[in-house]
Amino acid sequence: SYVLTQPPSVSVAPGQTANITCGGDNIGSKSVHWYQQKPGQAPILVVFGDSDRPSGIPERFSGSNSGNTATLSISRVEAGDVADYYCQVWESSCEFGGGTKLTVL
Amino acid sequence: EVQLVQSGAEVKKPGESLRISCKASGYSFSTSWIAWVRQMPGKGLEWMGIIYPSDSDIRYSPSIQGQVRLSVDESVDTAYLQWTSLRASDTGMYYCARDISSGYYGGPFDIWGQGTMVIVSS
Repeated sequence: SYVLTQPPSVSVAPGQTANITCGGDNIGSKSVHWYQQKPGQAPILVVFGDSDRPSGIPERFSGSNSGNTATLSISRVEAGDVADYYCQVWESSCEFGGGTKLTVL
Repeated sequence: EVQLVQSGAEVKKPGESLRISCKASGYSFSTSWIAWVRQMPGKGLEWMGIIYPSDSDIRYSPSIQGQVRLSVDESVDTAYLQWTSLRASDTGMYYCARDISSGYYGGPFDIWGQGTMVIVSS
């Protein structure tokens, strides 16, 4: 199976930019999607197709993908962004990364 | 409003059977694939499988194959996840989610159900 590697946690001060990475073999050739899951809630899609945002998602959320790393960037981080974030791709089947817990200092 | 509404929490004993549901509304149920994703307590997301309501074409995760059964009832716009013999290790939260693509799978999941908690304990 295709393995996606995320850091377990990322910490950032309010107002700064959080970068959450998702590593995979030649992931730059795949379409990467990102989900936000707040405590006790279902996941929601925040970035799809590497860098597109669904309607209703703030412009503060952006994505990039190249080589062996995809990145979800959250600018001007707020307390309300505290959540687990998961990357996802389709290979021979659907694969999720292990998730990254975003903490706001 | 496009939404998926799942059935309520379940508490079952090992060896019992169970079917949970996911009712779609606000869009054409038949033409979008529906996936099931499980989340064990304190763990990450794990894809279980995906089904196409129009013809019940199914793809299972290799790690899940044979443990569960996916099905749909188009007449009531509902997808189902079924176990014939539950185990304690099946305890977790189960989500259904819609693949954004129409007619094929492989896209992101744009609509999620609220989740169904399944507890299996003797």
